[in-house]
Amino acid sequence: DSGVTQTPKHLITATGQRVTLRCSPRSGDLSVYWYQQSLDQGLQFLIQYYNGEERAKGNILERFSAQQFPDLHSELNLSSLELGDSALYFCASSVEGGGDRRETQYFGPGTRLLVL
Amino acid sequence: GEDVEQSLFLSVREGDSSVINCTYTDSSSTYLYWYKQEPGAGLQLLTYIFSNMDMKQDQRLTVLLNKKDKHLSLRIADTQTGDSAIYFCAERAGAGSYQLTFGKGTKLSVIP
Repeated sequence: DSGVTQTPKHLITATGQRVTLRCSPRSGDLSVYWYQQSLDQGLQFLIQYYNGEERAKGNILERFSAQQFPDLHSELNLSSLELGDSALYFCASSVEGGGDRRETQYFGPGTRLLVL
Repeated sequence: GEDVEQSLFLSVREGDSSVINCTYTDSSSTYLYWYKQEPGAGLQLLTYIFSNMDMKQDQRLTVLLNKKDKHLSLRIADTQTGDSAIYFCAERAGAGSYQLTFGKGTKLSVIP
């Protein structure tokens, strides 16, 4: 158990819909990262938040957005869903700052999204 | 740009050593990681190595880094059936960059 929690575990929805994925980082971690794992693209970095502020953006679609709240949990919002958005979405967290151990990202169990 | 390459499959007999290889292109990579993903599960951090090291050993795991060739390997000694999983190599670039770039993963099958 990495200490990172994600809900829900599974999500089935229809095209055009909007969903919200939730992530709680490990205690003490200030950074949250979102990754998408699909069969064709592999694991891709989407976005990073650090202490409530967006820190880095990767291959995130404009239909997707994220935020990190004062209690440090994060939500990933996916809207106007398409079939191709079906994937496993991972959240990771890290302390982010100083010392080698702090640079490590710990991953949650993921949310499996199926768009029908 | 950043790119991480791994072979897709590896099959070994139980008790043998497994060697999973990875190459990366970003010469500014400072941190390199190995993650394990079992079927239906998340990513488990196995080990990591920093660019100022060329070897790291952690129980049955040995990581070798050849910075000149941008080559990273993970050796699993005495491979067990429980080691069957997908192994991902990931790199993180230098200061100011925190996201990980992953390879496609190597599926390790252990034959009893």
